Amino acid sequence: NAGVTQTPKFRVLKTGQSMTLLCAQDMNHEYMYWYRQDPGMGLRLIHYSVGEGTTAKGEVPDGYNVSRLKKQNFLLGLESAAPSQTSVYFCASSSTATIEQYFGPGTRLTVT
Amino acid sequence: GDSVTQMEGPVTLSEEAFLTINCTYTATGYPSLFWYVQYPGEGLQLLLKATKADDKGSNKGFEATYRKETTSFHLEKGSVQVSDSAVYFCARAPNSGYALNFGKGTSLLVTP
Repeated sequence: NAGVTQTPKFRVLKTGQSMTLLCAQDMNHEYMYWYRQDPGMGLRLIHYSVGEGTTAKGEVPDGYNVSRLKKQNFLLGLESAAPSQTSVYFCASSSTATIEQYFGPGTRLTVT
Repeated sequence: GDSVTQMEGPVTLSEEAFLTINCTYTATGYPSLFWYVQYPGEGLQLLLKATKADDKGSNKGFEATYRKETTSFHLEKGSVQVSDSAVYFCARAPNSGYALNFGKGTSLLVTP
């Protein structure tokens, strides 16, 4: 059982470039989440989804877009990367909002 | 709103020392409570959880008791090992909304 997987693991972008981070889960979970983790800031929720075809903004959504076309996948897009988006990005999933989330291994993104 | 406060680190202990990491939560409702652990370079893993008052979660020698009267969920371990060096996150389920509320994390370093 793979759980939650993320691709890529590492990426370096130049300012203004775009990219998409892919998250996949094989646990048939309804809820999926994207977080960013920065030193001293803990985890901050970017966007989340409560089911296929639905997405919503979290705490820090600016500069990001998401899509949930299939239940098992949750994509995070950066249309025009900025150095402030240098971070480690984690995807997570859960079967409901009030029980434990399962996390992917993370994507380390550097924007120069 | 719902929130979690945990002690700031870093915490440095010698091997076999006793560990306590404090966590308090906002007292609205009776949320499920969680401790997650993040080893270097990895994603978050669920360490233990408790779903109601006076429940004790335990795993890998770690324990935490859900204390409604003090709105606390402190993490303890009687004898830490070098392999316990990690960042520990306390989290609570939301009363409303769709994602867990995480504390900022406490870094633990155990030295031989």
